[in-house]
Amino acid sequence: DTGVSQDPRHKITKRGQNVTFRCDPISEHNRLYWYRQTLGQGPEFLTYFQNEAQLEKSRLLSDRFSAERPKGSFSTLEIQRTEQGDSAMYLCASSLVGSGSPLHFGNGTRLTVT
Amino acid sequence: TQLLEQSPQFLSIQEGENLTVYCNSSSVFSSLQWYRQEPGEGPVLLVTVVTGGEVKKLKRLTFQFGDARKDSSLHITAAQTGDTGLYLCAGSLGGGADGLTFGKGTHLIIQP
Repeated sequence: DTGVSQDPRHKITKRGQNVTFRCDPISEHNRLYWYRQTLGQGPEFLTYFQNEAQLEKSRLLSDRFSAERPKGSFSTLEIQRTEQGDSAMYLCASSLVGSGSPLHFGNGTRLTVT
Repeated sequence: TQLLEQSPQFLSIQEGENLTVYCNSSSVFSSLQWYRQEPGEGPVLLVTVVTGGEVKKLKRLTFQFGDARKDSSLHITAAQTGDTGLYLCAGSLGGGADGLTFGKGTHLIIQP
């Protein structure tokens, strides 16, 4: 068990560019979550998958954001036409099925939009 | 409106002192979790509490879940510099498969 890994760790992009992040969850975990965290705040829920199905999306998630988990294993989060307000830490977590199951987080991708 | 309110937002104390941080809500949670996060890393789970009134101990850390399952506290005895970090509480409302809702956290600094 190597834990949840995220790639890249850091991404600097210019406003208007598209970016894509990858998350590899713990292999036996069927749930995968994306959260966003800004400085001084707790993580904000964006979306989650159970296996390959995207079961919930936050109202905070604009249509410039899209997430996929095509084979129920790794997931990607794409942000199109990035804006400065998208600058944040993007955290991925995985868990087993079950309300309240503990989340295992990766170390995040820090996005800076200039 | 924040679903989970954590207090204090910031706390700086000397090594060896005791402290308590709080997590409050007007909602009832089926379970509540405490995480600790260090700069540049993801949150790491400390404990999950499920039953109203439950008390769990993890070495010098004592976690309590309120009887009504709306609030929780974390007490640290004889704080050490290694306890420095962001302490986050997160609740599950249960029922449907929703993601955990996090509070904004308590930034704790233990000074030597």
